[in-house]
Amino acid sequence: GAGVSQSPSNKVTEKGKDVELRCDPISGHTALYWYRQSLGQGLEFLIYFQGNSAPDKSGLPSDRFSAERTGGSVSTLTIQRTQQEDSAVYLCASSYYFDEQYFGPGTRLTVT
Amino acid sequence: DQQVKQNSPSLSVQEGRISILNCDYTNSMFDYFLWYKKYPAEGPTFLISISSIKDKNEDGRFTVFLNKSAKHLSLHIVPSQPGDSAVYFCAASVGATNKLIFGTGTLLAVQP
Repeated sequence: GAGVSQSPSNKVTEKGKDVELRCDPISGHTALYWYRQSLGQGLEFLIYFQGNSAPDKSGLPSDRFSAERTGGSVSTLTIQRTQQEDSAVYLCASSYYFDEQYFGPGTRLTVT
Repeated sequence: DQQVKQNSPSLSVQEGRISILNCDYTNSMFDYFLWYKKYPAEGPTFLISISSIKDKNEDGRFTVFLNKSAKHLSLHIVPSQPGDSAVYFCAASVGATNKLIFGTGTLLAVQP
């Protein structure tokens, strides 16, 4: 079946602009996660959705970052007033409850 | 504060030999550990995991060892193959949260 998909694959934006990154999880998966990988760093947890429960937003680095998951499926990560330090690869993953996480290919965000 | 550390950014091994990738952690609350493999331009894929109640888990050519007293785990690949060349990430979690904390990765190059 189809894996996790993310769009766009690459995004270049000017500092100060807002961006939206999209994630389509595997159908039937209950949990969805956002991570990011900055240059030379490991994957950093951002936010986690599990079913209809309130999301765990403990990894969001600032209030410029937000995410929502509509209908328990597709998720959008929004970064407002982008800064150069937001440049990273943003990875989405999904899982069936607490089973193995399957990752998408990521969106490479470059803020100029 | 890096809770999961992979101190070797890269490792080169001859085909057929053993590859040993190391990972250290600082949070004694971690009770589940995973290894992910990542090829360029792709998302990480799950490789093998171990619960803190075990000290070894084996799956084919891959074995993970956990030393809780030393807060250290390692991934052994025997025999190493050129197709194993990738970045390997160690990750850990507390309980069933599935919120993974990743290391910075080790780039493994298996020379034919």
